[in-house]
Amino acid sequence: GQNIDQPTEMTATEGAIVQINCTYQTSGFNGLFWYQQHAGEAPTFLSYNVLDGLEEKGRFSSFLSRSKGYSYLLLKELQMKDSASYLCAVRSYNTDKLIFGTGTRLQVFP
Amino acid sequence: EPEVTQTPSHQVTQMGQEVILRCVPISNHLYFYWYRQILGQKVEFLVSFYNNEISEKSEIFDDQFSVERPDGSNFTLKIRSTKLEDSAMYFCASTEGSEQTQYFGPGTRLLVL
Repeated sequence: GQNIDQPTEMTATEGAIVQINCTYQTSGFNGLFWYQQHAGEAPTFLSYNVLDGLEEKGRFSSFLSRSKGYSYLLLKELQMKDSASYLCAVRSYNTDKLIFGTGTRLQVFP
Repeated sequence: EPEVTQTPSHQVTQMGQEVILRCVPISNHLYFYWYRQILGQKVEFLVSFYNNEISEKSEIFDDQFSVERPDGSNFTLKIRSTKLEDSAMYFCASTEGSEQTQYFGPGTRLLVL
């Protein structure tokens, strides 16, 4: 079976740092993606991990541990526009479809 | 920057009617996908398409659904006889290679009455 877990909601303050966790159990693993989704809009690509470790992209970083089935997305210097849902998605072997978690709704307060 | 486009942005239809959702993938992309998201729920895979044929489909993608690439640019999803539970946001996505990042279009919000 395939299961991806993320917290449902998180809140943070403008300028702060927030870490959104994702744990997964899938039949095989071939990459983990983070997408941002504002309400009523399309998911937009943030980051991709296929090997263990940290990938950094400006204010956003993503970490992967394949042995633990765990990833996190780190958002630094939070801005009000970062209020959105953050979707963790996993791709398994022998398929290119993405399996999404339910998403974490982040609210950033002034 | 090239992007995936979808039309219409909104579609309201009566139960039992046929709808066609249209997508124009990014021009040099070869792999195409449809996903859907029921309001308040997670994004779900429907179908993947490569080299003019379906490469994978989910259990949601039953005989009421079909996909087509009628020309070199469009990629369509047809629902033959819509049901109330087909009401959702439908996203098209495309990628250059099967192991590359998938880029999503803005979606079509389908409401079946």
